Amino acid sequence: DQQVKQNSPSLSVQEGRISILNCDYTNSMFDYFLWYKKYPAEGPTFLISISSIKDKNEDGRFTVFLNKSAKHLSLHIVPSQPGDSAVYFCAASARGGADGLTFGKGTHLIIQP
Amino acid sequence: ETGVTQTPRHLVMGMTNKKSLKCEQHLGHNAMYWYKQSAKKPLELMFVYSLEERVENNSVPSRFSPECPNSSHLFLHLHTLQPEDSALYLCASSHSSGGSDTQYFGPGTRLTVL
Repeated sequence: DQQVKQNSPSLSVQEGRISILNCDYTNSMFDYFLWYKKYPAEGPTFLISISSIKDKNEDGRFTVFLNKSAKHLSLHIVPSQPGDSAVYFCAASARGGADGLTFGKGTHLIIQP
Repeated sequence: ETGVTQTPRHLVMGMTNKKSLKCEQHLGHNAMYWYKQSAKKPLELMFVYSLEERVENNSVPSRFSPECPNSSHLFLHLHTLQPEDSALYLCASSHSSGGSDTQYFGPGTRLTVL
């Protein structure tokens, strides 16, 4: 059973508008969450992260929100730019637990001009 | 050269071949990882090495054999693979193997098993 779920395989957003990518998780031991961006033929690139002691982390156009009670996190990109078109992966880890990351299947974000 | 590099970028092999994937990190990290990404599946953790010792093995078949000779290099030795092993194999590294350290990925090796 998937512990990290990204239920939208794709998302289309107009340039300049806000992109919101969602992620749900089931493992209550997860306490660190990351978003990665992946272009074709490249490895995932780290974008932004959040620890479970916070509910928001912002870095430029990117903001991640964490709702622990709902086991839900989201990535907001505003304003969206053509270069943001990529696959976005949500990942989670548990401090003191498994040392690797558990990934979602990804959401393909398409920014339309 | 900086970051995490992987060679080769593409590999085609028969089921009876033996080949190796190589990963090198130039970030001064102490932990390294192998992940597998199959079509329409999430990235799956295969192996974790911390300070050159294996700390995690996610029930990976023995036809995949990792090797970590030092903290900068990681290999994945392949033998008698199956067509279903065709996938993108990604290497990553982090400062330590603690859960809150960000992992940085290489570009991957696209493996095709005929």
